[in-house]
Amino acid sequence: AQSVSQHNHHVILSEAASLELGCNYSYGGTVNLFWYVQYPGQHLQLLLKYFSGDPLVKGIKGFEAEFIKSKFSFNLRKPSVQWSDTAEYFCAVNALYSGAGSYQLTFGKGTKLSVIP
Amino acid sequence: DVKVTQSSRYLVKRTGEKVFLECVQDMDHENMFWYRQDPGLGLRLIYFSYDVKMKEKGDIPEGYSVSREKKERFSLILESASTNQTSMYLCASSFGGGNTIYFGEGSWLTVV
Repeated sequence: AQSVSQHNHHVILSEAASLELGCNYSYGGTVNLFWYVQYPGQHLQLLLKYFSGDPLVKGIKGFEAEFIKSKFSFNLRKPSVQWSDTAEYFCAVNALYSGAGSYQLTFGKGTKLSVIP
Repeated sequence: DVKVTQSSRYLVKRTGEKVFLECVQDMDHENMFWYRQDPGLGLRLIYFSYDVKMKEKGDIPEGYSVSREKKERFSLILESASTNQTSMYLCASSFGGGNTIYFGEGSWLTVV
């Protein structure tokens, strides 16, 4: 079964600082990759996803992520964070193989981002 | 917009009670999921279903069961609630294999 590691449990940044959240997964085959965000008191929302093609994907609110297959990584970045980016961020992986298990997403444990005004 | 609706946002139940959490999606998605979310543990899959009356165990199925009698509805059942099942429960749905999963707002369950 696949697993997902998010390196940072809690990140604290000042506004305008740059952000990079690490995500690594363990599965050698084809994967779909996702970043979800959960703002305080709200439900999980899709931030961006990678299925195929350009490994640099852009999502909502200025976020982007880069898929590096050789490193099994899908790190999330934003050049300049805002106070409104305060949230919990989850990396998720879908391993594409035959069988019912290919429908599920495996999530990392999440990274809390606190942005100080 | 995809809408995944969980019937109860906040519940308090007693140990040993049978608990039903209901979820409905309005996008004709084949796949439906139940996760639980705990601080520091992220989201863990309890059960999922890829078709009516079909179910598959996820990573932590013990103490739970599910029911999917209609395509749009997926119920999570705690046969005998215990305090270690106090958690946030998230229902989700998706279309096909490997596609984006859409989440409901969650149900906070406290077992006392």
